[in-house]
Formats: sequence, structure tokens, C-alpha cells
Amino acid sequence: DAKTTQPTSMDCAEGRAANLPCNHSTISGNEYVYWYRQIHSQGPQYIIHGLKNNETNEMASLIITEDRKSSTLILPHATLRDTAVYYCIVSLYNNNDMRFGAGTRLTVKP
Amino acid sequence: NAGVTQTPKFQVLKTGQSMTLQCAQDMNHEYMSWYRQDPGMGLRLIHYSVGAGITDQGEVPNGYNVSRSTTEDFPLRLLSAAPSQTSVYFCASSTPGLAAYEQYFGPGTRLTVT
Repeated sequence: DAKTTQPTSMDCAEGRAANLPCNHSTISGNEYVYWYRQIHSQGPQYIIHGLKNNETNEMASLIITEDRKSSTLILPHATLRDTAVYYCIVSLYNNNDMRFGAGTRLTVKP
Repeated sequence: NAGVTQTPKFQVLKTGQSMTLQCAQDMNHEYMSWYRQDPGMGLRLIHYSVGAGITDQGEVPNGYNVSRSTTEDFPLRLLSAAPSQTSVYFCASSTPGLAAYEQYFGPGTRLTVT
């Protein structure tokens, strides 16, 4: 699986959009980009995934660059409950062997 | 649906003791996995299973055994606990297919080995 690079930490003001970047320059053509988050010490929670098109669901939007070497997770209106560690993972579809890195610790401030 | 459940929530072991961490899911998922998370680190895959009777090693399998006799249960056995196995253990399940693929995680078991 390709490796990912994320900033260690980010801050965001409550109510503003949170944009979390991820670099995955060695991604292969059949690998997907997945985002998970982990709130406090709970189990990780799936957010969104995509292959090459931009994706949106009720939680977030995923923007993948045309060359697929980087992506951005967007939380459109961050709340205090969005404070968490966000993991960007590159993996094959239906691959049970997902490699979580250290992620980005997002702190949403009032 | 209870989702993914793990027992116990907390456990303290002495070096050399053995124990089994329990994981169960009621979503009829084919895939199940065990991860460990050390302080300040991301999750690392220990073992996984793609169906009853089928298991495989992940990134850090040494010191752990698994079996999958039923779709619902995927226990993780520590053979001879060591302080290096002090960690939080998460179990996850998922199902392959054309629908959105996501893993559902349990609440974790916090293990301390002294």
C-alpha cells in the first residue's frame, strides 16, 4: 500500500470549514483514498472514501487532485465534536489490511 | 444491533500470563480484524480474517494467535504476555461488496502488562 503524509496537528474555528490535507504521491491506479477519524480514545470511525472523483456525504467532502497524488478532506462547518485525530489511508478496495499512520490531530476551537 | 463488542474493557496481566480478548459482531460481516494502538501512535494490524475458518497475519502478529470458528466471533489470544504488549486493542468488522466499504470498530480493550 502507498504511504501517506499528513500534518501532525491543525486548529480550526468552530463553524468554519476544516480542510485536512493528505499527500499520497506513490498511490497506484487501483488504490482508494479512505478517511477515518478517532475521537478521544474511541474506536476509529469511517468518514468517506474515493478513487478519483470528488465525493460528498453527510459528514464530509473528499477532494482528490487530478493526478491523485494528494487529497483534502473538508468538514464544511466544524463543531467542537469534530475534534479528533483524522487518518488518511490509501488501500485497495475491500482490502482488510489498512495501514493507519499517525494522522492529523484536529482541534476545533470556540 | 450492538455492532462490534469487545470484552473486557480493561485488563491488567503479569508478564507470562495468557489471556483471550473477545470480539463479537452481529452484522453478519465476513471480514474481521484486530489492531493495536500504542500511546500517540496510529493503529497497527495484528491479524485478520476474511471468513470463518480463514485467518491471516497482519503487520505485527508475533505473540498473538487468532481463530475464526464462527462468523460472529474473532478472539485474540495472548500466549505469554510481555510489557511490550501493553496497548489498546481494537477489533473491527466489515463486509466486502459493491456498497461503500467501511470498517466498524469496537470500543477497545485497554491492556496493561506489568
